[in-house]
Amino acid sequence: QSALTQPASVSGSPGQSITISCTGTSSDVGGYNYVSWYQQHPGKAPKLMIYDVSNRPSGVSNRFSGSKSGNTASLTISGLQAEDEADYYCSSYTSSSTLAVFGGGTKLTVL
Amino acid sequence: EVQLVESGGGLVQPGGSLRLSCAASGFTFSSYWMHWVRQAPGKGLVWVSRINSDGSSTSYADSVKGRFTISRDNAKNTLYLQMNSLRAEDTAVYYCARLVGATVSYSDYWGQGTLVTVSS
Repeated sequence: QSALTQPASVSGSPGQSITISCTGTSSDVGGYNYVSWYQQHPGKAPKLMIYDVSNRPSGVSNRFSGSKSGNTASLTISGLQAEDEADYYCSSYTSSSTLAVFGGGTKLTVL
Repeated sequence: EVQLVESGGGLVQPGGSLRLSCAASGFTFSSYWMHWVRQAPGKGLVWVSRINSDGSSTSYADSVKGRFTISRDNAKNTLYLQMNSLRAEDTAVYYCARLVGATVSYSDYWGQGTLVTVSS
């Protein structure tokens, strides 16, 4: 069982917006502003999309945005495009010795 | 250009051992914490182990503690994962990744992964 809870799947049509949630506890998501999000296409390595809750690395489209409220973080993708179809994983700093925990992943389908 | 290239994966029998390597280039390897993350077929990402920049501090997931050992050779710009007493449930693609951020808790660069299959 993953430390952070994500929906197994979400879907949307091209041009629409979708939001993926990531729920943790006060020991991880809720306690710190250190949530990150990764995109993974089949057979590929994960790619960092968001860090520190809402920051985008250089080169990541501004269609991707992150936010947090209490123990739940969210990734929003606006203007959905076919190439956004992928698995998305959240991760958070945690006060345990592991330093970071992952969510179980969410499969995004672009209809 | 930052590059991380894993090697050493393959087919191994239950109870066997394997050593994974991750060759780093394009950045000052000795300045960064690193970790290993694995992904079983069709499953999600699972953190395995991390090591600080000089190798003096390590941490492991409970599932591999006592069986896996993470290490690094900063002179060779290489990260290692020694895996002993392998089990079927260790079957996965193993990724090495660079840890960054104020809490060194997220990764900006990942390798392409190396597949470890534990089966008789």
